[in-house]
Amino acid sequence: EPEVTQTPSHQVTQMGQEVILRCVPISNHLYFYWYRQILGQKVEFLVSFYNNEISEKSEIFDDQFSVERPDGSNFTLKIRSTKLEDSAMYFCATLYITGTEAFFGQGTRLTVV
Amino acid sequence: GDSVTQMEGPVTLSEEAFLTINCTYTATGYPSLFWYVQYPGEGLQLLLKATKADDKGSNKGFEATYRKETTSFHLEKGSVQVSDSAVYFCALGSNDYKLSFGAGTTVTVRA
Repeated sequence: EPEVTQTPSHQVTQMGQEVILRCVPISNHLYFYWYRQILGQKVEFLVSFYNNEISEKSEIFDDQFSVERPDGSNFTLKIRSTKLEDSAMYFCATLYITGTEAFFGQGTRLTVV
Repeated sequence: GDSVTQMEGPVTLSEEAFLTINCTYTATGYPSLFWYVQYPGEGLQLLLKATKADDKGSNKGFEATYRKETTSFHLEKGSVQVSDSAVYFCALGSNDYKLSFGAGTTVTVRA
């Protein structure tokens, strides 16, 4: 069964450092998303990406965040200068077409110390 | 904007008990509705979905019916097992295909 793959599964970083979270979408999926889940809280939408550009972003997705598909396969989320409050589980999700379900990766647990 | 209100837990049940988790939504247009499950230490898995009014989604003994008149999508299972212990998230898929999640309900099933 096809799956969304995220790496790393867990990353610990120092405050102020840059991190890049990686996602390999299911092939032929067209829509890509990042969500985050702060421990014990709800899953929150960060950004959606379609046709090589951002479709929508939330208030959380400020200038410290960026996304790209550098090589047409990986979908990355970069946090330029991490803060303690960026500690969370980050989920990548991909979608083929509207009305079908989004497939989620296993998540990357980011811990900022 | 679109939003989901979900019954908060935690919910603790005995095996073979009946489970209901309430979910109501607010949306413009005609959203799709989903239930996702998160088992301990794992990611989000789609449990079931419904894409239009009166559709019933079902999977693994769980069911939910898309009720437009009450803007609800309550999750039910007639007889839970210990393996059903997880966090359950109701979600709404809007026209721009992003998901809006409820707060999640932690369910613990005791043997």
